[in-house]
Amino acid sequence: AQKITQTQPGMFVQEKEAVTLDCTYDTSDQSYGLFWYKQPSSGEMIFLIYQGSYDEQNATEGRYSLNFQKARKSANLVISASQLGDSAMYFCAMRAPLDFGNEKLTFGTGTRLTIIP
Amino acid sequence: DVKVTQSSRYLVKRTGEKVFLECVQDMDHENMFWYRQDPGLGLRLIYFSYDVKMKEKGDIPEGYSVSREKKERFSLILESASTNQTSMYLCASSYQGFSYEQYFGPGTRLTVT
Repeated sequence: AQKITQTQPGMFVQEKEAVTLDCTYDTSDQSYGLFWYKQPSSGEMIFLIYQGSYDEQNATEGRYSLNFQKARKSANLVISASQLGDSAMYFCAMRAPLDFGNEKLTFGTGTRLTIIP
Repeated sequence: DVKVTQSSRYLVKRTGEKVFLECVQDMDHENMFWYRQDPGLGLRLIYFSYDVKMKEKGDIPEGYSVSREKKERFSLILESASTNQTSMYLCASSYQGFSYEQYFGPGTRLTVT
């Protein structure tokens, strides 16, 4: 069974600083995908970034990057130059195995990030 | 823009009532999902569907059923609501393929009294 662990229930970060949100995963599969989502106080889940297990480069999307360390089974989200609008709940999720008809995501428990002005 | 809509943002029902939560997506996605979200537990998958009339149990299907008669619509049914089903319910949809992200609706906060 797949498992996602997010060990930081809450974080406080000064505006404009970089932030690293931790995520470790457990799977015996070789093919899998890792996702990060943001959930503001409004409640809607917003997709941020994706990393495939066979991708050689770390994924980047604007201010978001994914620090993928396959041997350590970690997929940390890095937010550069944090902004007040980054205050939200952040979820790490994994999809495995990558079979047709089995495309469910397993989510971690989330990290609540608060950006301080 | 992809749009996933849910029939209600807030819902209050009594114990034993039958509850229908509806989800509609407008992007012709093959996959649709129902999750519940509880504090400290993250999102847990209840059911998902990869085609019309097809459904697969997720991690916590007990007490729930689903219906997908049309590609764009996925309904979650609580046959006899109980207080432990008080939660936030999130619907999502996606294309088939491992790298495709799921798009989520705004959620329905259901309270069962």
